[in-house]
Amino acid sequence: GAVVSQHPSRVICKSGTSVKIECRSLDFQATTMFWYRQFPKKSLMLMATSNEGSKATYEQGVEKDKFLINHASLTLSTLTVTSAHPEDSSFYICSASSAGGSEQFFGPGTRLTVL
Amino acid sequence: AQSVTQLGSHVSVSEGALVLLRCNYSSSVPPYLFWYVQYPNQGLQLLLKYTTGATLVKGINGFEAEFKKSETSFHLTKPSAHMSDAAEYFCAVSVGSSNTGKLIFGQGTTLQVKP
Repeated sequence: GAVVSQHPSRVICKSGTSVKIECRSLDFQATTMFWYRQFPKKSLMLMATSNEGSKATYEQGVEKDKFLINHASLTLSTLTVTSAHPEDSSFYICSASSAGGSEQFFGPGTRLTVL
Repeated sequence: AQSVTQLGSHVSVSEGALVLLRCNYSSSVPPYLFWYVQYPNQGLQLLLKYTTGATLVKGINGFEAEFKKSETSFHLTKPSAHMSDAAEYFCAVSVGSSNTGKLIFGQGTTLQVKP
């Protein structure tokens, strides 16, 4: 089956620094990637949708200047949390789908802790 | 607009007992519906999906779900629970008619399986 990886799986950073999370589709071309945020014991909240070669579409309430998303190739999307603060600590999950594909495939998630 | 409601944030069953996780949806277009499972600190794994056709959908690990349009429901069942079924379960509906579009997730149901 299709595999999506995320790197790093865990990251701890100091407040004010920026953190980049990578999402890769390992065995298919991901024309669309989605970024979700999940708080403890909570559901997934869609942050943005990115299509390869286009600017990401952010959901209402998500700061595009704080959560920078780049989808430069058909196998890689990155999420950069800029000037991270403790309230940005969360579990970030990406998913990917291919053109004409039948489902989204989810990455294993990245646990971000901002001190 | 689409929405998903999962009734019961926690469900506890004994090993070998029937598992029933409830999901109701709201959609202005014919829905695409999904059930995902999430183990601790991991991403989401697709259990099953309904797009069109047969309303009783069989998935992995012995799970199945039935799409009932009249009840706007898509409840997940398994005849006999295993200890390994203990996890978080999410029902989701696809925004729009595409099954690779944005997903709206329910709040999640934690399944506890007692020996």
